[in-house]
Amino acid sequence: DAGVTQSPTHLIKTRGQHVTLRCSPISGHKSVSWYQQVLGQGPQFIFQYYEKEERGRGNFPDRFSARQFPNYSSELNVNALLLGDSALYLCASSLDSSSYNEQFFGPGTRLTVL
Amino acid sequence: AQSVTQLGSHVSVSEGALVLLRCNYSSSVPPYLFWYVQYPNQGLQLLLKYTSAATLVKGINDFEAEFKKSETSFHLTKPSAHMSDAAEYFCAVSEMDSGNTPLVFGKGTRLSVIA
Repeated sequence: DAGVTQSPTHLIKTRGQHVTLRCSPISGHKSVSWYQQVLGQGPQFIFQYYEKEERGRGNFPDRFSARQFPNYSSELNVNALLLGDSALYLCASSLDSSSYNEQFFGPGTRLTVL
Repeated sequence: AQSVTQLGSHVSVSEGALVLLRCNYSSSVPPYLFWYVQYPNQGLQLLLKYTSAATLVKGINDFEAEFKKSETSFHLTKPSAHMSDAAEYFCAVSEMDSGNTPLVFGKGTRLSVIA
Protein backbone atom coordinates (compact mmCIF):
# COMPACT_ATOMS: atom_id res chain seq x y z
CA ASP A 1 0.00 0.00 0.00
CA ALA A 2 1.25 3.47 -0.82
CA GLY A 3 2.02 5.72 2.09
CA VAL A 4 1.53 9.45 2.30
CA THR A 5 3.05 11.15 -0.72
CA GLN A 6 4.16 14.75 -1.01
CA SER A 7 5.29 16.86 -3.91
CA PRO A 8 7.61 18.37 -4.75
CA THR A 9 10.46 16.87 -2.77
CA HIS A 10 12.52 20.03 -2.83
CA LEU A 11 11.71 23.58 -3.76
CA ILE A 12 13.72 26.78 -3.96
CA LYS A 13 11.92 30.11 -3.98
CA THR A 14 12.84 33.74 -3.45
CA ARG A 15 11.41 36.15 -0.92
CA GLY A 16 7.97 37.46 -1.81
CA GLN A 17 7.05 34.55 -4.03
CA HIS A 18 4.17 32.14 -3.53
CA VAL A 19 4.42 28.36 -3.10
CA THR A 20 1.99 25.45 -3.26
CA LEU A 21 2.79 22.13 -1.63
CA ARG A 22 0.75 19.01 -2.29
CA CYS A 23 -0.11 15.94 -0.26
CA SER A 24 -1.91 12.69 -1.03
CA PRO A 25 -3.08 10.75 2.02
CA ILE A 26 -3.13 7.03 2.51
CA SER A 27 -6.13 5.48 0.78
CA GLY A 28 -9.12 5.55 3.12
CA HIS A 29 -7.76 8.32 5.30
CA LYS A 30 -10.00 11.37 5.49
CA SER A 31 -7.92 13.66 7.66
CA VAL A 32 -4.81 15.56 6.64
CA SER A 33 -2.58 17.68 8.85
CA TRP A 34 0.29 19.96 7.93
CA TYR A 35 3.37 20.61 10.08
CA GLN A 36 6.38 22.89 9.67
CA GLN A 37 9.75 21.60 10.87
CA VAL A 38 12.47 24.20 11.06
CA LEU A 39 16.01 22.83 11.12
CA GLY A 40 16.89 21.58 14.58
CA GLN A 41 13.34 21.80 15.94
CA GLY A 42 10.35 19.53 16.31
CA PRO A 43 7.43 19.77 13.89
CA GLN A 44 4.95 22.55 14.57
CA PHE A 45 1.27 22.22 13.70
CA ILE A 46 -0.09 24.42 10.91
CA PHE A 47 -3.49 23.03 9.84
CA GLN A 48 -5.77 20.03 10.12
CA TYR A 49 -8.49 19.21 7.60
CA TYR A 50 -11.16 16.56 7.89
CA GLU A 51 -13.82 15.89 5.30
CA LYS A 52 -12.73 19.03 3.44
CA GLU A 53 -13.29 21.30 6.43
CA GLU A 54 -10.65 23.03 8.52
CA ARG A 55 -10.67 21.45 11.98
CA GLY A 56 -7.70 23.19 13.51
CA ARG A 57 -5.17 25.91 12.89
CA GLY A 58 -1.84 26.55 14.55
CA ASN A 59 -0.19 29.85 15.34
CA PHE A 60 0.77 30.82 11.81
CA PRO A 61 0.09 34.06 9.90
CA ASP A 62 -2.63 34.41 7.32
CA ARG A 63 -0.01 34.02 4.59
CA PHE A 64 -0.48 30.31 5.21
CA SER A 65 -3.61 28.68 3.85
CA ALA A 66 -4.69 25.19 2.92
CA ARG A 67 -7.53 23.23 1.47
CA GLN A 68 -8.65 19.64 1.09
CA PHE A 69 -10.17 18.25 -2.04
CA PRO A 70 -13.02 15.73 -2.52
CA ASN A 71 -10.45 12.94 -2.98
CA TYR A 72 -8.97 13.98 0.42
CA SER A 73 -5.70 15.22 -1.04
CA SER A 74 -4.56 18.57 0.23
CA GLU A 75 -2.63 21.67 -0.71
CA LEU A 76 -0.70 24.06 1.53
CA ASN A 77 -0.21 27.54 0.16
CA VAL A 78 2.21 30.12 1.46
CA ASN A 79 2.14 33.68 0.12
CA ALA A 80 4.75 36.43 0.34
CA LEU A 81 7.51 34.04 1.34
CA LEU A 82 9.98 35.08 4.02
CA LEU A 83 13.42 33.69 4.73
CA GLY A 84 12.01 32.24 7.92
CA ASP A 85 9.61 30.06 5.96
CA SER A 86 12.53 27.84 4.97
CA ALA A 87 11.73 24.48 6.52
CA LEU A 88 10.65 20.90 5.95
CA TYR A 89 6.88 20.81 5.48
CA LEU A 90 5.35 17.55 6.60
CA CYS A 91 1.95 16.21 5.74
CA ALA A 92 0.29 13.57 7.90
CA SER A 93 -2.86 11.58 7.26
CA SER A 94 -5.13 9.65 9.60
CA LEU A 95 -8.42 7.82 9.40
CA ASP A 96 -10.32 10.67 10.98
CA SER A 97 -9.65 13.69 13.15
CA SER A 98 -9.61 11.76 16.42
CA SER A 99 -6.44 12.17 18.43
CA TYR A 100 -6.52 8.41 19.12
CA ASN A 101 -5.70 7.45 15.58
CA GLU A 102 -2.12 7.33 14.39
CA GLN A 103 -0.96 10.05 12.09
CA PHE A 104 1.15 8.72 9.22
CA PHE A 105 3.73 11.17 7.95
CA GLY A 106 4.96 11.72 4.44
CA PRO A 107 8.62 12.32 3.58
CA GLY A 108 8.10 16.08 3.48
CA THR A 109 8.84 18.93 1.11
CA ARG A 110 12.06 20.82 1.76
CA LEU A 111 11.42 24.52 1.04
CA THR A 112 14.34 26.90 0.77
CA VAL A 113 13.63 30.62 0.54
CA LEU A 114 16.50 32.77 -0.74
CA ALA B 1 -2.09 24.15 26.76
CA GLN B 2 0.17 21.19 26.22
CA SER B 3 3.93 21.06 25.96
CA VAL B 4 6.76 18.55 25.78
CA THR B 5 10.29 18.84 27.12
CA GLN B 6 12.96 16.49 25.88
CA LEU B 7 16.01 16.55 28.11
CA GLY B 8 19.21 16.39 26.13
CA SER B 9 19.35 17.51 22.52
CA HIS B 10 22.03 14.91 21.83
CA VAL B 11 22.60 11.50 23.40
CA SER B 12 25.52 9.26 22.52
CA VAL B 13 25.68 5.56 23.45
CA SER B 14 27.89 2.62 22.57
CA GLU B 15 26.56 -0.19 20.45
CA GLY B 16 24.91 -2.74 22.74
CA ALA B 17 24.38 -0.24 25.56
CA LEU B 18 21.08 0.85 27.06
CA VAL B 19 19.28 3.69 25.31
CA LEU B 20 17.37 6.16 27.49
CA LEU B 21 15.73 9.22 25.96
CA ARG B 22 13.84 11.47 28.35
CA CYS B 23 10.49 13.14 27.82
CA ASN B 24 8.38 15.17 30.23
CA TYR B 25 5.00 16.53 29.29
CA SER B 26 2.59 19.14 30.50
CA SER B 27 -1.13 18.72 29.91
CA SER B 28 -4.24 19.99 31.67
CA VAL B 29 -6.23 17.00 30.41
CA PRO B 30 -5.42 13.28 30.12
CA PRO B 31 -2.90 12.92 27.34
CA TYR B 32 -2.06 10.59 24.55
CA LEU B 33 1.72 10.32 24.25
CA PHE B 34 3.82 9.31 21.29
CA TRP B 35 7.41 8.66 20.31
CA TYR B 36 8.43 9.20 16.69
CA VAL B 37 11.75 8.54 14.96
CA GLN B 38 13.08 10.54 12.02
CA TYR B 39 15.94 9.35 9.86
CA PRO B 40 17.88 11.89 7.79
CA ASN B 41 15.83 13.42 4.98
CA GLN B 42 12.77 11.38 5.87
CA GLY B 43 9.42 11.89 7.51
CA LEU B 44 8.42 10.70 10.97
CA GLN B 45 7.74 7.08 11.85
CA LEU B 46 5.71 6.12 14.91
CA LEU B 47 7.65 4.00 17.42
CA LEU B 48 4.93 3.64 20.04
CA LYS B 49 2.00 5.41 21.65
CA TYR B 50 0.34 5.56 25.05
CA THR B 51 -3.45 5.59 24.99
CA SER B 52 -4.19 4.66 28.64
CA ALA B 53 -4.54 0.91 28.07
CA ALA B 54 -1.24 0.11 29.81
CA THR B 55 1.43 2.26 31.39
CA LEU B 56 4.28 0.24 29.87
CA VAL B 57 4.08 0.50 26.13
CA LYS B 58 6.04 -1.68 23.74
CA GLY B 59 6.84 -0.47 20.27
CA ILE B 60 8.75 -1.46 17.20
CA ASN B 61 12.43 -2.44 17.14
CA ASP B 62 12.45 -3.35 20.88
CA PHE B 63 11.72 0.18 22.03
CA GLU B 64 9.44 0.70 24.99
CA ALA B 65 8.26 3.59 27.14
CA GLU B 66 6.63 3.89 30.53
CA PHE B 67 3.94 6.43 31.35
CA LYS B 68 4.42 7.83 34.85
CA LYS B 69 1.63 10.21 35.72
CA SER B 70 3.17 11.28 39.03
CA GLU B 71 6.35 12.33 37.26
CA THR B 72 4.61 13.52 34.06
CA SER B 73 7.17 11.51 32.16
CA PHE B 74 7.22 9.16 29.19
CA HIS B 75 10.84 8.12 28.78
CA LEU B 76 11.89 5.92 25.86
CA THR B 77 14.23 2.97 26.40
CA LYS B 78 15.85 0.19 24.44
CA PRO B 79 17.96 -2.52 26.12
CA SER B 80 20.66 -2.73 23.46
CA ALA B 81 21.49 -0.04 20.93
CA HIS B 82 22.16 -0.87 17.29
CA MET B 83 23.97 1.28 14.78
CA SER B 84 20.72 1.53 12.84
CA ASP B 85 19.09 3.32 15.81
CA ALA B 86 21.06 6.49 15.09
CA ALA B 87 18.38 9.05 14.27
CA GLU B 88 16.36 11.94 15.67
CA TYR B 89 13.68 11.03 18.20
CA PHE B 90 10.64 13.14 18.99
CA CYS B 91 8.22 12.88 21.87
CA ALA B 92 4.72 14.26 21.24
CA VAL B 93 1.49 14.80 23.17
CA SER B 94 -2.14 15.28 22.22
CA GLU B 95 -5.40 15.48 24.16
CA MET B 96 -7.08 12.18 24.90
CA ASP B 97 -10.40 11.55 23.18
CA SER B 98 -10.36 14.86 21.41
CA GLY B 99 -11.71 15.33 17.93
CA ASN B 100 -9.30 17.84 16.64
CA THR B 101 -6.21 18.45 18.70
CA PRO B 102 -2.91 18.23 16.89
CA LEU B 103 0.32 16.65 18.01
CA VAL B 104 2.56 18.92 20.06
CA PHE B 105 6.19 17.88 19.63
CA GLY B 106 9.30 18.32 21.70
CA LYS B 107 12.46 19.71 20.14
CA GLY B 108 13.90 16.27 19.58
CA THR B 109 16.89 14.25 20.75
CA ARG B 110 19.55 13.16 18.34
CA LEU B 111 20.81 9.67 19.15
CA SER B 112 24.31 8.69 18.08
CA VAL B 113 25.50 5.08 18.37
CA ILE B 114 29.21 4.48 18.62
CA ALA B 115 30.72 1.22 17.38
